[in-house]
Amino acid sequence: GAGVSQTPSNKVTEKGKYVELRCDPISGHTALYWYRQSLGQGPEFLIYFQGTGAADDSGLPNDRFFAVRPEGSVSTLKIQRTERGDSAVYLCASSLGSANTGELFFGEGSRLTVL
Amino acid sequence: GNSVTQMEGPVTLSEEAFLTINCTYTATGYPSLFWYVQYPGEGLQLLLKATKADDKGSNKGFEATYRKETTSFHLEKGSVQVSDSAVYFCALTPFNDYKLSFGAGTTVTVRA
Repeated sequence: GAGVSQTPSNKVTEKGKYVELRCDPISGHTALYWYRQSLGQGPEFLIYFQGTGAADDSGLPNDRFFAVRPEGSVSTLKIQRTERGDSAVYLCASSLGSANTGELFFGEGSRLTVL
Repeated sequence: GNSVTQMEGPVTLSEEAFLTINCTYTATGYPSLFWYVQYPGEGLQLLLKATKADDKGSNKGFEATYRKETTSFHLEKGSVQVSDSAVYFCALTPFNDYKLSFGAGTTVTVRA
């Protein structure tokens, strides 16, 4: 597709389970970002990839969260031992360059609900 | 640290009314400023941006001016349409950085 694609669009899981969220960025975009948006709040930065490497993972809340981008395109956000506080919309974005100079293209998000 | 504070919503307007959404920021140095918009059922998309003081960003009839003296980037539109109903987010990135810091968002509903 032409835009950023995220799957699943909705995920309901039980506390303690493992979850994977997938992001397929726009073709040719080297920069990829994950953000988390809790109800009534703006998106918060989680991690930034430039190519295959995580250039900045300072926004990941703890070591239960991990993200990969093995071939420099598709990225997977992995959450272990989910907690109710992890419930949020997880947004993926991609860009040709950095956010400061270019435009970020966001997917529609994956809504995670932890029961 | 860097932060953005924007006007709380929700805001409900009639078609052709004037819209203002206030946004102020805290940042060191000279950040770039953005307004992103999220239409129902769609992802966030960039509406407009300004990268230095006194710059005016504009798009789709919306405008915002980077005011360093008041650390503000208020969004305005002179005559709104029903299709402008959306959630609007003010955001910044520090100079030469890539992390966007977003405000909490303002929900705007325009009635016919």
